Amino acid sequence: DAGITQSPRHKVTETGTPVTLRCHQTENHRYMYWYRQDPGHGLRLIHYSYGVKDTDKGEVSDGYSVSRSKTEDFLLTLESATSSQTSVYFCAISPSGTMVEQYFGPGTRLTVT
Amino acid sequence: AQSVTQPDIHITVSEGASLELRCNYSYGATPYLFWYVQSPGQGLQLLLKYFSGDTLVQGIKGFEAEFKRSQSSFNLRKPSVHWSDAAEYFCAVGERAAGNKLTFGGGTRVLVKP
Repeated sequence: DAGITQSPRHKVTETGTPVTLRCHQTENHRYMYWYRQDPGHGLRLIHYSYGVKDTDKGEVSDGYSVSRSKTEDFLLTLESATSSQTSVYFCAISPSGTMVEQYFGPGTRLTVT
Repeated sequence: AQSVTQPDIHITVSEGASLELRCNYSYGATPYLFWYVQSPGQGLQLLLKYFSGDTLVQGIKGFEAEFKRSQSSFNLRKPSVHWSDAAEYFCAVGERAAGNKLTFGGGTRVLVKP
């Protein structure tokens, strides 16, 4: 299995509070991604990173920010959590190269009350 | 922009029977295509991928998929299903542009009857 961990694995928070999710990899892969998974929608890309300090928006980026200060860590921040951000969040990584597959972490279940 | 449709939200199949999951994609060029499986409470695991060449690709756990350009389809098959195949299956199309980004279908949940 690819060396990807996510923390926390479960979190319950209140509306309006900031939340940060962490993705850590031990593979030294170039690309890192954050997805959210909701029933009927599959996985939707929130943000991705193509290197340290290099990030870009995905399909559903509103309300989320990211940072990557080291190759191994990719942080997802909800500045002010809303109930619509209740979801399961997955981190994925991919090495350099054209269209190499992505490897997924175990996920973080976030509930915003 | 690319898109992926998995027309079947749920499929129930008897153990030992064959399984086929449908996937249709929309993409302007030759696509990169993937099938992933997700067991309950787990992350996604790659089953197989198609980049080019032979249109019938073999994957792990006895799965195969066939790329049909004329139908914009990449259907997943397994000749004989085991109870452990109960899971959710996702088809995805990849962008050829930098970033290796994927667009996923909505998923098909497979239930296996004894």
